[in-house]
Amino acid sequence: NAGVTQTPKFRILKIGQSMTLQCTQDMNHNYMYWYRQDPGMGLKLIYYSVGAGITDKGEVPNGYNVSRSTTEDFPLRLELAAPSQTSVYFCASSYLEDTQYFGPGTRLTVL
Amino acid sequence: AQSVTQPDIHITVSEGASLELRCNYSYGATPYLFWYVQSPGQGLQLLLKYFSGDTLVQGIKGFEAEFKRSQSSFNLRKPSVHWSDAAEYFCAVGGRGTYKYIFGTGTRLKVLA
Repeated sequence: NAGVTQTPKFRILKIGQSMTLQCTQDMNHNYMYWYRQDPGMGLKLIYYSVGAGITDKGEVPNGYNVSRSTTEDFPLRLELAAPSQTSVYFCASSYLEDTQYFGPGTRLTVL
Repeated sequence: AQSVTQPDIHITVSEGASLELRCNYSYGATPYLFWYVQSPGQGLQLLLKYFSGDTLVQGIKGFEAEFKRSQSSFNLRKPSVHWSDAAEYFCAVGGRGTYKYIFGTGTRLKVLA
């Protein structure tokens, strides 16, 4: 099992550009999550999904969009990148309310 | 309001010394409690979890944690720290029927040789 994989590992964007962060899990988990991690702030939930076709907003959804067409994939879309979106992004998955399994993260810088 | 507080931002201990990382939570229902560890440049990995039953839980790498309902705490302990334990530690709370965790802000552990 690869677990949770994320691409890319690093990315630099210019203000106003768009990009998609990819996330795939091979554990057949129904729940998937996107977090951002900023120094000293812990993890903030951006969006989550409880199954294919079902997504909902977390604490900090502004500037982001998600979709979930399959159980395995949960891409995060950034439209019109802003410096405030400079962060490390983690995707995670879980079976119901149990342990979350995290990907290795994507470090994004917006200049 | 639901929250998790990790009062210590940084902790430094000598190798071989004991360790306790504090976690206090506020949660309206029966909590599910977790400790995760994050090594530099890596994602989070589960150390241990508590759902119900014995309030002292054992985890990986020799860590344990004790759930104290009366104090709303779930402190993480290790009797003898190794240099490889240097990392950031996160406490999190969730619950039955909830899809979302609340994470603390983390405690960064430094280990002196």
